[in-house]
Amino acid sequence: AQSVTQLGSHVSVSEGALVLLRCNYSSSVPPYLFWYVQYPNQGLQLLLKYTSAATLVKGINGFEAEFKKSETSFHLTKPSAHMSDAAEYFCAVSPQGGGYQKVTFGTGTKLQVIP
Amino acid sequence: DGGITQSPKYLFRKEGQNVTLSCEQNLNHDAMYWYRQDPGQGLRLIYYSQIVNDFQKGDIAEGYSVSREKKESFPLTVTSAQKNPTAFYLCASRKDITNSPLHFGNGTRLTVT
Repeated sequence: AQSVTQLGSHVSVSEGALVLLRCNYSSSVPPYLFWYVQYPNQGLQLLLKYTSAATLVKGINGFEAEFKKSETSFHLTKPSAHMSDAAEYFCAVSPQGGGYQKVTFGTGTKLQVIP
Repeated sequence: DGGITQSPKYLFRKEGQNVTLSCEQNLNHDAMYWYRQDPGQGLRLIYYSQIVNDFQKGDIAEGYSVSREKKESFPLTVTSAQKNPTAFYLCASRKDITNSPLHFGNGTRLTVT
């Protein structure tokens, strides 16, 4: 069974500082991986996705993530935090293969950006 | 623009009443999903459907029911059997391709008192 672990339910960074949000997955084969962002009382919006084409994935709003098979990780980074980045971020995993496919989410990390 | 519409945004019900949450998509996506979101627990899958007239239980299906009579629509009924129905409910859809991302509606916040 697949699972996702996000380390740190709350992360605080200063405006302009590096953002690092951690995600580790558990799966028998490398899955497809996604990062989503959620603003209060809204749905989730896709930031980026890994589908085995390239290990370094660039997304919207200056975010990127690197797939590391040896570490089973898919951490999200942004070089310089902006106030508008304050939101909750979710890592998700979907197994490769056909048929019905469940998408499993981590418990989320709330990012606070301090001016 | 294509998207997913969930209605209503806020819903209030008395305990013991069934309530149906609406989800409509015009993205021509085959697969649709219902998630429940509670603080600190992430998103938990209630039901999902890949084609019309077929759906599968997710991880927390007890106390919920769904139907998929049309490709565009996937309503969720929260029954009186659901012990803790107060939550934020999210509907999503995606193409029938496993590497495609989910597209989400803006959610329905259900409060049961």
